[in-house]
Amino acid sequence: NAGVTQTPKFQVLKTGQSMTLQCAQDMNHEYMSWYRQDPGMGLRLIHYSVGAGITDQGEVPNGYNVSRSTTEDFPLRLLSAAPSQTSVYFCASSFSTGVQETQYFGPGTRLLVL
Amino acid sequence: LAKTTQPISMDSYEGQEVNITCSHNNIATNDYITWYQQFPSQGPRFIIQGYKTKVTNEVASLFIPADRKSSTLSLPRVSLSDTAVYYCLRAQGGKLIFGQGTELSVKP
Repeated sequence: NAGVTQTPKFQVLKTGQSMTLQCAQDMNHEYMSWYRQDPGMGLRLIHYSVGAGITDQGEVPNGYNVSRSTTEDFPLRLLSAAPSQTSVYFCASSFSTGVQETQYFGPGTRLLVL
Repeated sequence: LAKTTQPISMDSYEGQEVNITCSHNNIATNDYITWYQQFPSQGPRFIIQGYKTKVTNEVASLFIPADRKSSTLSLPRVSLSDTAVYYCLRAQGGKLIFGQGTELSVKP
């Protein structure tokens, strides 16, 4: 299994541009989520999904959209990038939402918004 | 949602046992305490999880007292490769609530 994969690894955007961060997992996990990590800080939850067709907001959802059309994919869309969205973005997945479930993280996407 | 509190940084030497304590005064009845490790430029990785008392695996031990308001991660005989950021998290369903983490530096 490839686990959780993310593309691209690094991206530079200009303010106002849009882009989609891709996340895929091949473990048949129902639960997927997106986090952002700013320098010297822990991760903050942006959006999450408990299954195909179901998404919900996390701690910092503003400026981001998500969709979950398949179990495998969970893309994160920035409709109009802002410098405040410069961060490292991590996608994670787990088999279910059980409190004892281990979450598996992808390698991250580094985003710089100028 | 209240976050956990832990020391920002710790230093240790190779071969020593390292104990990182985390405070979670407002933990809910159905919360589990989970610890993740993160190396630079990588995503976090699960280390250990517990609800009460002591849990041990091949990597670490986790001690949670009866009142569950704190927990201690114990890393036996650390090596240079254990240099990383360690996060103490509350696990609520699929949501992981991250604090700032403890940056552990292991020196030769």
